[in-house]
Amino acid sequence: KNQVEQSPQSLIILEGKNCTLQCNYTVSPFSNLRWYKQDTGRGPVSLTIMTFSENTKSNGRYTATLDADTKQSSLHITASQLSDSASYICVVSPNSGGSYIPTFGRGTSLIVHP
Amino acid sequence: DSGVTQTPKHLITATGQRVTLRCSPRSGDLSVYWYQQSLDQGLQFLIQYYNGEERAKGNILERFSAQQFPDLHSELNLSSLELGDSALYFCASSTRWDTSKLFFGSGTQLSVL
Repeated sequence: KNQVEQSPQSLIILEGKNCTLQCNYTVSPFSNLRWYKQDTGRGPVSLTIMTFSENTKSNGRYTATLDADTKQSSLHITASQLSDSASYICVVSPNSGGSYIPTFGRGTSLIVHP
Repeated sequence: DSGVTQTPKHLITATGQRVTLRCSPRSGDLSVYWYQQSLDQGLQFLIQYYNGEERAKGNILERFSAQQFPDLHSELNLSSLELGDSALYFCASSTRWDTSKLFFGSGTQLSVL
């Protein structure tokens, strides 16, 4: 069964600090991994996509890493801002058997305090 | 703004009732997905339509049904509602049926009392 596990479940940091969110998955065969940001009361928005051959990808203050061998990914947020307060969801997509439906993790709830 | 429109934003109803949630995808997107998000739960995939045809089915209850119309908008029908059906229901759209880049609407918050 395809699964995506995220940790920590929640995280509180001070504005300006860095943080790292973790994602482990069992989706196979693997196609790609996305990190989404979901603000409270809104739909998720894609931040980054990583394919099998990519190890690191940055999008502004967000840097995602992928280790396809250990099936782990991380999202590093640098110099956090109040607007980073949101849920960050790891989403992994398969690539076979006609099933391309992505599997969503439960998300990490990040709160940035001033 | 993702370009995906969901109505209504909020819906309050009683157990045993039936409701319809509506979704208009981004202009040009042929694929529509429905997801359910309960408190402290991840997004659970319900069903996907592509160009009017059902493409994939997830954990959708028999009391729930959906369809995609010729103009590509989609409706999710929830019947015989139970307290446990209270959740945020998201619609998402994409250009292709086999892509992971989904554009989400703002959701419909359903409260069953």
